[in-house]
Amino acid sequence: QSVLAQPPSASGTPGQTVSISCSGSSSNIGTNPVNWYQQLPGTAPKLLIYSNSQRPSGVPDRFSGSKSGTSASLAISGLQSEDETDYYCAAWDDSLEGLVFGGGTKLTVL
Amino acid sequence: EVQLVESGGGLVKPGGSLRLSCAASGFTFSSHSMTWVRQAPGRGLEWVSSITSSSSYIYYADSVRGRFSISRDNAGNSLYLQMNSLRADDTAVYYCARSGCSTNCPLRVNWFDPWGQGTLVTVSS
Repeated sequence: QSVLAQPPSASGTPGQTVSISCSGSSSNIGTNPVNWYQQLPGTAPKLLIYSNSQRPSGVPDRFSGSKSGTSASLAISGLQSEDETDYYCAAWDDSLEGLVFGGGTKLTVL
Repeated sequence: EVQLVESGGGLVKPGGSLRLSCAASGFTFSSHSMTWVRQAPGRGLEWVSSITSSSSYIYYADSVRGRFSISRDNAGNSLYLQMNSLRADDTAVYYCARSGCSTNCPLRVNWFDPWGQGTLVTVSS
C-alpha cells in the first residue's frame, strides 16, 4: 500500500484532457512540494513536473501540475498516443523522514 | 551532458551482499544530494535511500534500514549502495538519481533529475 494514493489506471481519447490525482496527508503533500515522473516501458523514470507545477525544459506545456491541501493533480491536455505510459507522484514525508511515491497510474490512450 | 551510470547489479543468493555504484559526470557532483530508488519487476517505484551533498544527512526506507548503507565519494564523482543480508524481495532494478536543486536545497523540497539507466539486482537461490 503506497503512502500516496493514485488511481491505478486512467484513459482518454486523442485530443482530450486527462487528470491524474495524487492524495496524501499533512506530513507529505500538505507540507512539501509534489513532483511527477513519467516512465516509458523499459526505461528509467523522467522528471515531468517539479515543485507542484513547474515544467523542466523540454517538457511540453500540455503537461501541468497543481496542488491543493493534501492532494495534487497532473493534467495532460491534447492527449497524444505517446502519452500512453506510467505516471508517478512523489513527495517528501516529514513523519517518515523519507520520500514517498504514489503507486503509479497507467494511462491508456483509446 | 549530465549522466549517471549504475553498475554492480547481478544475481546473489539470499543473505548475500552486493555493492552498487553510480558514476556521475557532466555536473558538479559535490553540490547535489543523491538518491537510490528501486523498482521490483512489474511494480511501482520505491525510494531506498538518500544522501546529502556532503554526506551530513543520510536517510533510509524502513525496508532497508540496518541492511543497506549509502555513501559517496565526491572526489571520484561516485555514489554507492552497500547491500547486505539480501532477501528475495530486494529483487529490483536499482536507479540512482540526482537531486535537481543543488547546494542548500533540502531534500524535502527537492526533485530527482536525471536518473540513471538502472542496474538489476536478483536475489535468488
